[in-house]
Amino acid sequence: AQKVTQAQTEISVVEKEDVTLDCVYETRDTTYYLFWYKQPPSGELVFLIRRNSFDEQNEISGRYSWNFQKSTSSFNFTITASQVVDSAVYFCALSERGSNYKLTFGKGTLLTVNP
Amino acid sequence: EAGVVQSPRYKIIEKKQPVAFWCNPISGHNTLYWYLQNLGQGPELLIRYENEEAVDDSQLPKDRFSAERLKGVDSTLKIQPAELGDSAVYLCASSSQGSYGYTFGSGTRLTVV
Repeated sequence: AQKVTQAQTEISVVEKEDVTLDCVYETRDTTYYLFWYKQPPSGELVFLIRRNSFDEQNEISGRYSWNFQKSTSSFNFTITASQVVDSAVYFCALSERGSNYKLTFGKGTLLTVNP
Repeated sequence: EAGVVQSPRYKIIEKKQPVAFWCNPISGHNTLYWYLQNLGQGPELLIRYENEEAVDDSQLPKDRFSAERLKGVDSTLKIQPAELGDSAVYLCASSSQGSYGYTFGSGTRLTVV
């Protein structure tokens, strides 16, 4: 069974601080995808990144970076120089081939960036 | 390209009343999903359609929930009768392939009073 754990329920930082959101996943499948979504107060889920299980390269996109480590089953997300507009709930999610790629979400981390 | 469109955006109903939500996926996306998001939780899958066929409805409470996707395009999700515990956000998503490319709509926030 697939499972996603986001241990941090809430994080509060001051603008310009770096912040890392943790994600640990469980799967028995060798083929799977990992995702991060952002959910601002308006409610829509905004896709940030997708990673497949065969690509462990870290990725950087502007102020965002992702660290995928299969050895620890983690897919952590770092925001560098955080801004107030980064305030949102962030969800890590997993889909695996054995479950017909059903998307399973963690419970989310509420990030508040204070000015 | 228009995104996934859901309506209504908000709905308030009294318990025991019926309610329906509508979703128009991205054009060409053959896979459509309905997710339920309770307050403070991540979304959970209710049902998945491949074209007009419901291929995974194991999480759908079939005693009161029903869904359809006629002609493999738009979809409706219905609750009859609604209960207080159904208050949540109902999200629709679509994708062109099952493994990636999910696009979510803005959701319908249901409040049952």
